[in-house]
Amino acid sequence: EIVLTQSPGTLSLSPGERATLSCRASQSVSSSYLAWYQQKPGQTPRLLIYGASSRATGIPDRFSGSGSGTDFTLTINRLEPEDFAVYYCQQYGSSPRTFGPGTKVDIK
Amino acid sequence: EVQLVESGGGLVQPGGSRRLSCAASGFTFSSYSMNWVRQAPGKGLEWVSYISSSSSTIYYADSVKGRFTISRDNAKNSLYLQMNSLRAEDTAVYYCARAIDFDYWGQGTLVTVSS
Repeated sequence: EIVLTQSPGTLSLSPGERATLSCRASQSVSSSYLAWYQQKPGQTPRLLIYGASSRATGIPDRFSGSGSGTDFTLTINRLEPEDFAVYYCQQYGSSPRTFGPGTKVDIK
Repeated sequence: EVQLVESGGGLVQPGGSRRLSCAASGFTFSSYSMNWVRQAPGKGLEWVSYISSSSSTIYYADSVKGRFTISRDNAKNSLYLQMNSLRAEDTAVYYCARAIDFDYWGQGTLVTVSS
């Protein structure tokens, strides 16, 4: 099983700042099958990034993903008020699919 | 518009059974693999099960293997999760999610396992 570790656990930032979220895998993620999801309180998770770096439909270009192998990053440029949420990474290259524990981005 | 609507949640006693359904619309259901994901109250996301478009490939999380069964009916555009031998730790909101990269999610249905 591929274990995903996300850091930091909580990121306190102000609107307009840049957020850098890390996701590290215990072994290489097959074909960069790594996704990022955003979840706001009381809402369903939303796909942001798939294939490590491809933005999902309708996702603003301030969200970007990078990385390969075992180290992946989600960057949010110029945080908007609606971006404060919990972010999960997930690998879907092997079974069992696994999620990271999440990074909470909150308002400083 | 892609829509996924889960149903079947509710209160069930430990050791009991429950069948969840996910009704799909707005896309060619038979062309997509599907997943079930759950989220315990106040906790993170946990993948539960995967089924390929033709049902030829099925995977389960270790935590539910032998107790849960995923299935689909492409003629009815529906996904199912049969849950048996339920435990308190199965209490969660259960989501269905489309495709290998979980690109669309339903709103979820809450299953509470308690006496």
